[in-house]
Amino acid sequence: DAKTTQPPSMDCAEGRAANLPCNHSTISGNEYVYWYRQIHSQGPQYIIHGLKNNETNEMASLIITEDRKSSTLILPHATLRDTAVYYCIVRVGKNTGTASKLTFGTGTRLQVTL
Amino acid sequence: DAGITQSPRYKITETGRQVTLMCHQTWSHSYMFWYRQDLGHGLRLIYYSAAADITDKGEVPDGYVVSRSKTENFPLTLESATRSQTSVYFCASREGGKETQYFGPGTRLLVL
Repeated sequence: DAKTTQPPSMDCAEGRAANLPCNHSTISGNEYVYWYRQIHSQGPQYIIHGLKNNETNEMASLIITEDRKSSTLILPHATLRDTAVYYCIVRVGKNTGTASKLTFGTGTRLQVTL
Repeated sequence: DAGITQSPRYKITETGRQVTLMCHQTWSHSYMFWYRQDLGHGLRLIYYSAAADITDKGEVPDGYVVSRSKTENFPLTLESATRSQTSVYFCASREGGKETQYFGPGTRLLVL
């Protein structure tokens, strides 16, 4: 699985968009980009994933660059409850066995403030 | 709809004792996983299971044993607990063919 690089921490004002970057310059053609988050003292929570097209769901948007070497998770209107550690993970999708595991790095700690 | 649960939520034990952490999911997901989370390491995979009676090692399996006799349960046993196994343990499950893993609330284990 490709390695990812994320900033260790970011701040965002409540109500503003939070843009969380992730670099994955060694990503392979069959690897997906996944985002999970972990609110303090809870288990990780799935947010969104994509291969090469931009994706949007009720939680967030995922923008993947054309060369797929980086991506940005966008929380359009951050709230205090979005304060969490956000993990960008790259791995082969729709598979079985060892490739189905998620490799979590240390993520980005997003602090949403009033 | 209980989802995925872990028990106990908190556990204190002593070095050398056997400890079993329980994980139960109500979705009949085929895949189940055990992770540990330590400061500076993120989450690391200990063991995973693709179906009942099928288990395999992850990144850090040493000192742990798993079993999966029923689809819904995936217990993790520390046969002889060591202080280095003090950690937060998360169980997760995933439906076959789907991408999303669902995580339990975690078990905080302290080995004295």
